[in-house]
Amino acid sequence: GAVVSQHPSWVICKSGTSVKIECRSLDFQATTMFWYRQFPKQSLMLMATSNEGSKATYEQGVEKDKFLINHASLTLSTLTVTSAHPEDSSFYICSARDLRTGGMNEQFFGPGTRLTVL
Amino acid sequence: GQQLNQSPQSMFIQEGEDVSMNCTSSSIFNTWLWYKQDPGEGPVLLIALYKAGELTSNGRLTAQFGITRKDSFLNISASIPSDVGIYFCAGQLPGAQKLVFGQGTRLTINP
Repeated sequence: GAVVSQHPSWVICKSGTSVKIECRSLDFQATTMFWYRQFPKQSLMLMATSNEGSKATYEQGVEKDKFLINHASLTLSTLTVTSAHPEDSSFYICSARDLRTGGMNEQFFGPGTRLTVL
Repeated sequence: GQQLNQSPQSMFIQEGEDVSMNCTSSSIFNTWLWYKQDPGEGPVLLIALYKAGELTSNGRLTAQFGITRKDSFLNISASIPSDVGIYFCAGQLPGAQKLVFGQGTRLTINP
């Protein structure tokens, strides 16, 4: 149980285009999903917290108009990188919190999406 | 922002050796989680700790929630090649939804 998927697993796009990344909880309901960014050989950097049915909460320094997050259902959150530029190239990982664990804060991670902007 | 100090940053050991890594903070946490990340993949949850002093095992892995609630350690016994990867600690501050991550410990095993 507690499986999280991401799609696509990798994407290459031209500068100026927008890219959408999907994060799905496959066998549980997730009231909260989190989006992280990870640079090579570094730790995970939280970008935003996505709550189902409400606006995402962005971390300081993360542009909300650049990284659009939608959490329309208890099993799906999307991250759209708008007008992507080479500096947006990174490994993007989502995680989901299992509603069944109540107050517990176990987060289950997706496999990540490698974005390369040319 | 909040930081967790994770050490060591890297370890080079022989197969069969035991491994120990830890995380410390100046803040009190009410949850400690340990994850393992393989290259190009997302982190996988290894052990979750919820009470001060709690000691939990998962196979050859053992983790403890420090009694002061400001630290946690992870031990791996009798390491095997598939233990290679990056291990992250993560903590949840009281009242917070998000996790604070350590910098990671990169484990390399010589056969």
